[in-house]
Amino acid sequence: DAGITQSPRHKVTETGTPVTLRCHQTENHRYMYWYRQDPGHGLRLIHYSYGVKDTDKGEVSDGYSVSRSKTEDFLLTLESATSSQTSVYFCAISPGRPDEQYFGPGTRLTVT
Amino acid sequence: ELKVEQNPLFLSMQEGKNYTIYCNYSTTSDRLYWYRQDPGKSLESLFVLLSNGAVKQEGRLMASLDTKARLSTLHITAAVHDLSATYFCAGNQGGSEKLVFGKGTKLTVNP
Repeated sequence: DAGITQSPRHKVTETGTPVTLRCHQTENHRYMYWYRQDPGHGLRLIHYSYGVKDTDKGEVSDGYSVSRSKTEDFLLTLESATSSQTSVYFCAISPGRPDEQYFGPGTRLTVT
Repeated sequence: ELKVEQNPLFLSMQEGKNYTIYCNYSTTSDRLYWYRQDPGKSLESLFVLLSNGAVKQEGRLMASLDTKARLSTLHITAAVHDLSATYFCAGNQGGSEKLVFGKGTKLTVNP
C-alpha cells in the first residue's frame, strides 16, 4: 500500500469553527489531492497540489483552502465549518500526470 | 468538460452469475481508471486502461475500453460474495492531472 496517512480519522466540530485536516505521504509523489465523498455524488475534487506551494482549485473548492509547505504534507482547511461540509474526506497522491492516484484511509468529518 | 456516467448505480446479483457495469464519458479521456471501495474503507485501484481496445483482467474482473464509443466496461464473471463493493470509474480530460469520477456502482452479490 502507498504510504499515505490522514489525521484525524474522525472529527466532530461545531458550525463556524475552523478545521484543518492533514495528509502525509512517504512516497515522495509530486501530486496530492483532496476529495470529498458524499452519498449520490461519488468523489469530487476540492483542491490539488502539483508541487510545494503549487496548488489549484477543483470542482468544489468554495469554503476550503489548502497549503503545501513540504512535499510530504498537504493540509486542507475549512475556514468556518458548515453543516454542508459534513462528509468523508480523502487524500490521494500520484507520482505524475496523469498517473493513477492512490488514496488515503479517509477522514470522517461531522459538523454539528 | 468531462462527465462520467456509470450504470447501473445499484446491482444485486446471485453468486455464479455474470454481469457488466458500464462507464460512459462525454469527451475524450486520456485514460480510464477503475477503483473498488469496500464499505467504510478507502479506494483501491483495480485497472488503468491506456488506449482504445485495451483489456485487463484480474481474477473474475475484466475491464475494457472503447475510446470511439467513449465507453468502458467492467465485466464480472461467476460472481462471488467477496466481490460485493462499490466500483468507480474515472477519467481525465486531455491528460489532465484531475480525475472525474462516476457516482459509483454498488454491487451486492447474494449467496
